[in-house]
Amino acid sequence: GQNIDQPTEMTATEGAIVQINCTYQTSGFNGLFWYQQHAGEAPTFLSYNVLDGLEEKGRFSSFLSRSKGYSYLLLKELQMKDSASYLCAVRAYSGNTPLVFGKGTRLSVIA
Amino acid sequence: DAGVIQSPRHEVTEMGQEVTLRCKPISGHDYLFWYRQTMMRGLELLIYFNNNVPIDDSGMPEDRFSAKMPNASFSTLKIQPSEPRDSAVYFCASSLGTTSGKLFFGSGTQLSVL
Repeated sequence: GQNIDQPTEMTATEGAIVQINCTYQTSGFNGLFWYQQHAGEAPTFLSYNVLDGLEEKGRFSSFLSRSKGYSYLLLKELQMKDSASYLCAVRAYSGNTPLVFGKGTRLSVIA
Repeated sequence: DAGVIQSPRHEVTEMGQEVTLRCKPISGHDYLFWYRQTMMRGLELLIYFNNNVPIDDSGMPEDRFSAKMPNASFSTLKIQPSEPRDSAVYFCASSLGTTSGKLFFGSGTQLSVL
């Protein structure tokens, strides 16, 4: 089976740094993905990790530890527009097999 | 490209009625996915197609749900008869087989079954 856990809600201050954690237990592993979803909109791709370590992309970074079944998304210099849900997703098998999504973490950025 | 196009954007119907949701994937994408999103269960995969062929429909909740992809540029998800518990946002997404898990989602259909 597949299980993906992430906190339901987080609040952070504009200009600060926030870390959103994700843990997973899946029958296989072939990549971890982060998506951003603003309220009332579709999810959009943010990042992809398949090897251990940190992937940096501007203000956003994503980290993966396969041995621990753990990932985090790091958002720096928070802006109000970063208020959104952040979805962790795992691809369990090789090839273009579907992603299994966590329920998402709703991040509120306050002034 | 216009992206993945879904219609209708909103659908309100009464229990027992047939509902048809439509999706046009991005041109050239060979994978198409139907997901359903609710607060309680998050984003759940219903069915996906590769080159218009259904690959896995194990996520379809029951026989009331059916999906087709008659050609590379069109797919439908049908619910007949609809029930209040089917109320959710239904997303269609497409991807290119060579790109790793980067899904492009449509704007979704907000379905309310009264």
